[in-house]
Amino acid sequence: NAGVTQTPKFRVLKTGQSMTLLCAQDMNHEYMYWYRQDPGMGLRLIHYSVGEGTTAKGEVPDGYNVSRLKKQNFLLGLESAAPSQTSVYFCASSHSVGVYNEQFFGPGTRLTVL
Amino acid sequence: TQLLEQSPQFLSIQEGENLTVYCNSSSVFSSLQWYRQEPGEGPVLLVTVVTGGEVKKLKRLTFQFGDARKDSSLHITAAQPGDTGLYLCAGVAEYGNKLVFGAGTILRVKS
Repeated sequence: NAGVTQTPKFRVLKTGQSMTLLCAQDMNHEYMYWYRQDPGMGLRLIHYSVGEGTTAKGEVPDGYNVSRLKKQNFLLGLESAAPSQTSVYFCASSHSVGVYNEQFFGPGTRLTVL
Repeated sequence: TQLLEQSPQFLSIQEGENLTVYCNSSSVFSSLQWYRQEPGEGPVLLVTVVTGGEVKKLKRLTFQFGDARKDSSLHITAAQPGDTGLYLCAGVAEYGNKLVFGAGTILRVKS
């Protein structure tokens, strides 16, 4: 039982390049989330999904796209990377929402955009 | 937009000391969670508090939810080096299915 896994763990991009971050969970959770973490700013929600085939915008969605073709996977895409997207990206999943929206996080992807 | 403010931002203490971390907002939350994050890893849930005034204990950690459900505190008794990490509070918005995170408190416990 691996929980939430993320690939890759590290990546360096040049401005304008594209990439996809993969998140996978084996807990059969309906809800999945992508966050970015920057020093002094906590975790900010980029996009989320309430089930297979659905996606929704979070707090900071600009410059990112997502897809949830399979229940266990949630992909985050950067079409044209910018230095402002240098950050640590975390994927999370949860079994339910509401007061017990308890989220399980992956180990993160550290992305540097030059 | 609902915001959570954590204080202090950074805390460096000696092993054996007690400490309290605060999480405050002007908004009401359905519940509040506390996570701990170690370097190079994702946050791990410690506790969820749901009822105003609720107190939960987890060994040396005591969590409290404010009566008005706008604030929370984390108290650690006799801190140990293993408590070192980033502590994050997160609120479940009253009308939503998302978490709002505070900026975090970096705790360093020296032996």
